[in-house]
Amino acid sequence: AQTVTQSQPEMSVQEAETVTLSCTYDTSESDYYLFWYKQPPSRQMILVIRQEAYKQQNATENRFSVNFQKAAKSFSLKISDSQLGDAAMYFCAYRPEYGNKLVFGAGTILRVKS
Amino acid sequence: GAVVSQHPSWVICKSGTSVKIECRSLDFQATTMFWYRQFPKQSLMLMATSNEGSKATYEQGVEKDKFLINHASLTLSTLTVTSAHPEDSSFYICSAPRSGSNYNEQFFGPGTRLTVL
Repeated sequence: AQTVTQSQPEMSVQEAETVTLSCTYDTSESDYYLFWYKQPPSRQMILVIRQEAYKQQNATENRFSVNFQKAAKSFSLKISDSQLGDAAMYFCAYRPEYGNKLVFGAGTILRVKS
Repeated sequence: GAVVSQHPSWVICKSGTSVKIECRSLDFQATTMFWYRQFPKQSLMLMATSNEGSKATYEQGVEKDKFLINHASLTLSTLTVTSAHPEDSSFYICSAPRSGSNYNEQFFGPGTRLTVL
């Protein structure tokens, strides 16, 4: 079975600084999708960024980028120029190529200091 | 973007009563929906997969008779917590994948907070 591990329960970052959230996963599949979701205090899940495993290029969405290391099964999220609105719980998630079931990590609470 | 709604957003009930939570995909059809349970500062725990026109698939350890799921149409799935007890108090989230996009993007409802007294 696939597993997703987020080893940082909490992280803090100063406003305007950069922070990296870690995620590792385990799978025997060669093709799959990886996601980072943000859950703010409202608890609405918001997709931040996704990565297709067959793509070598790291995904980027504005201030959010990933470092996808397929061989190491690592998928970290970098948030640049952190803003107060980035404060939330962040979940790393895995989905096989076929099927819609997501496997979530335990989550990382990100605090942004002004 | 696509929208998934949940109703109610917050419900308080007495122990022993049943509570129904609705999940609707507002602008797309969903043959599959997922139900999660989340405790404070914890991850989403998948409870079951709701399948339109057939029985739901429950994850290991989830009581089928306690958490009844009905996928009545291509836009509506319901979760009924039967004979609720205080330990059932939690945040319940549904999600629905939208077919047709290149990776069936999944859309989440805003969640329902259940408090059982």
